[in-house]
Amino acid sequence: DAGVTQSPTHLIKTRGQHVTLRCSPISGHKSVSWYQQVLGQGPQFIFQYYEKEERGRGNFPDRFSARQFPNYSSELNVNALLLGDSALYLCASRPDRGRYSPLHFGNGTRLTVT
Amino acid sequence: RKEVEQDPGPFNVPEGATVAFNCTYSNSASQSFFWYRQDCRKEPKLLMSVYSSGNEDGRFTAQLNRASQYISLLIRDSKLSDSATYLCVVNGAGGGADGLTFGKGTHLIIQP
Repeated sequence: DAGVTQSPTHLIKTRGQHVTLRCSPISGHKSVSWYQQVLGQGPQFIFQYYEKEERGRGNFPDRFSARQFPNYSSELNVNALLLGDSALYLCASRPDRGRYSPLHFGNGTRLTVT
Repeated sequence: RKEVEQDPGPFNVPEGATVAFNCTYSNSASQSFFWYRQDCRKEPKLLMSVYSSGNEDGRFTAQLNRASQYISLLIRDSKLSDSATYLCVVNGAGGGADGLTFGKGTHLIIQP
């Protein structure tokens, strides 16, 4: 079975540009979460989507937005990129909305903002 | 007190040795606990869930101490391939809607 897939793998953008990152969850998983991981830190929660609705948002500015599609895939959008947005962006899925099951991560998208 | 706290290391350990590290959490209402392994520039991968009674998976043993609010990971007969960053993950520690809060990770280096 395919795991969580993310695209693109790497991306280089300039300050002020916008970016769209894509994620396909494991088949049968309805919940998708997005995390940002900067070097030397653990992943930081950005969004959770379940059944196409936003179920939670972390402490990130409104420049960050996301959505989930009927097939449960998801997009993360970041506008007006800043140098500080350079990070590994991780998508993770789980079968349900529940808090008790572990997350399964994709390979991530490494974003570099210059 | 940080929500999930780990000693960042690095822990430099000779091959074949036993190594253990702890993780403390602040929310006594936390319900579930995990250890993830992350290799350099890769995604985190679930190593094991941590159960109240403690659990073992091969060379790896995880323990939960609710009274003192910490979880531990023990690696026996360490291999070079065990070199990685180990992330402690706690549910209900004030994390986002999906409930999970990650520690910063403990960096382990197994030396030949």
